[in-house]
Amino acid sequence: ETGVTQTPRHLVMGMTNKKSLKCEQHLGHNAMYWYKQSAKKPLELMFVYNFKEQTENNSVPSRFSPECPNSSHLFLHLHTLQPEDSALYLCASSQGDSLSGANVLTFGAGSRLTVL
Amino acid sequence: GQNIDQPTEMTATEGAIVQINCTYQTSGFNGLFWYQQHAGEAPTFLSYNVLDGLEEKGRFSSFLSRSKGYSYLLLKELQMKDSASYLCAVRDSNYQLIWGAGTKLIIKP
Repeated sequence: ETGVTQTPRHLVMGMTNKKSLKCEQHLGHNAMYWYKQSAKKPLELMFVYNFKEQTENNSVPSRFSPECPNSSHLFLHLHTLQPEDSALYLCASSQGDSLSGANVLTFGAGSRLTVL
Repeated sequence: GQNIDQPTEMTATEGAIVQINCTYQTSGFNGLFWYQQHAGEAPTFLSYNVLDGLEEKGRFSSFLSRSKGYSYLLLKELQMKDSASYLCAVRDSNYQLIWGAGTKLIIKP
């Protein structure tokens, strides 16, 4: 496989469930990101990892817990979510996290999360 | 605060030309990006502007005026497959990407 792969594509969970989103990139990139995309709203940056180290946590509630075991894999662990957390969660990767020059993001297709 | 404005939705006819505008107010400027996102798919990179002027890439062109805080994406010879959302993003002085809410483009036969 090439590019950025996200699983599952769709997830429905109750507020007391624990689930995880997975992201894998096959591009040899060093930086990985989690974004939240809600309808008719701008993309919201959640977390940034560079060389497995978290370099940004954008004031995200603790019910979202990221994990980056290596530069190719990124997880988002979900626990006691709220209905307003329902959204599309996009993973992305890039060569570096400074995004200088035309250092573009390559996105996965996203995990559509519904919290009941 | 920082803000990116782009129209919520636009409609155009197959074979025609459409211009999607993006205006921004950010703390500093280090480049502007356009991404295309088909429904249910990943956003994909279209263009990058850091200097004023027009960048042409096939049927798509992107224009930037830094003094006006303005960009547009021009799509020529529209095809049905161009129906998608188009996202404008500006990199600020801290190299943070500020995103617009996207413009949904509907192409009619």
